[in-house]
Amino acid sequence: AQSVTQLDSQVPVFEEAPVELRCNYSSSVSVYLFWYVQYPNQGLQLLLKYLSGSTLVKGINGFEAEFNKSQTSFHLRKPSVHISDTAEYFCAVSPPTGFQKLVFGTGTRLLVSP
Amino acid sequence: GAVVSQHPSWVICKSGTSVKIECRSLDFQATTMFWYRQFPKQSLMLMATSNEGSKATYEQGVEKDKFLINHASLTLSTLTVTSAHPEDSSFYICSARDEGRNYGYTFGSGTRLTVV
Repeated sequence: AQSVTQLDSQVPVFEEAPVELRCNYSSSVSVYLFWYVQYPNQGLQLLLKYLSGSTLVKGINGFEAEFNKSQTSFHLRKPSVHISDTAEYFCAVSPPTGFQKLVFGTGTRLLVSP
Repeated sequence: GAVVSQHPSWVICKSGTSVKIECRSLDFQATTMFWYRQFPKQSLMLMATSNEGSKATYEQGVEKDKFLINHASLTLSTLTVTSAHPEDSSFYICSARDEGRNYGYTFGSGTRLTVV
């Protein structure tokens, strides 16, 4: 079974500052890793995913994440945030085979202020 | 590409009535769809996995007789909340996986259900 931990429930940051949202996972098998963003009253939008290959993954809206197998982490980063990045961010994992369900973390609310 | 359409986006119903939520994959075929429930300021809780042409697989603690799932075609899954009560009020989100697009899960825009 897999589990995902997002230690920070809320991260306040000023506009144009860098940000890192932390994600750690636990799994006895290899996994695929995902970051999703959710705006109020909307579904989830995929920011980026790690399946294999390069451990540094670039996504949409200037976000990137780095897979660290030894630390079982997949932290999300952005060098300069905008007000519009204010949203809920979810880290998720899934086994690499079959139609397996996504296991989500509890989410991190990113609050960007001017 | 990989668009999932979910309707309605919001619905208000009276206690005791049933509500149907539709989830459609618009540009791909989805043999498997997932239904989630999300409480305010919380993460997504998987309710069930919907399989085309067969019975859904429900997560532990989810009442299958209350949350009826039908996946009659490769592009449509429906969730029916039967005899709805105020405690069923929540945000319901569906998801589908497009195998052809490199293991991407696409989510619908969600349905806000309010039972009064």
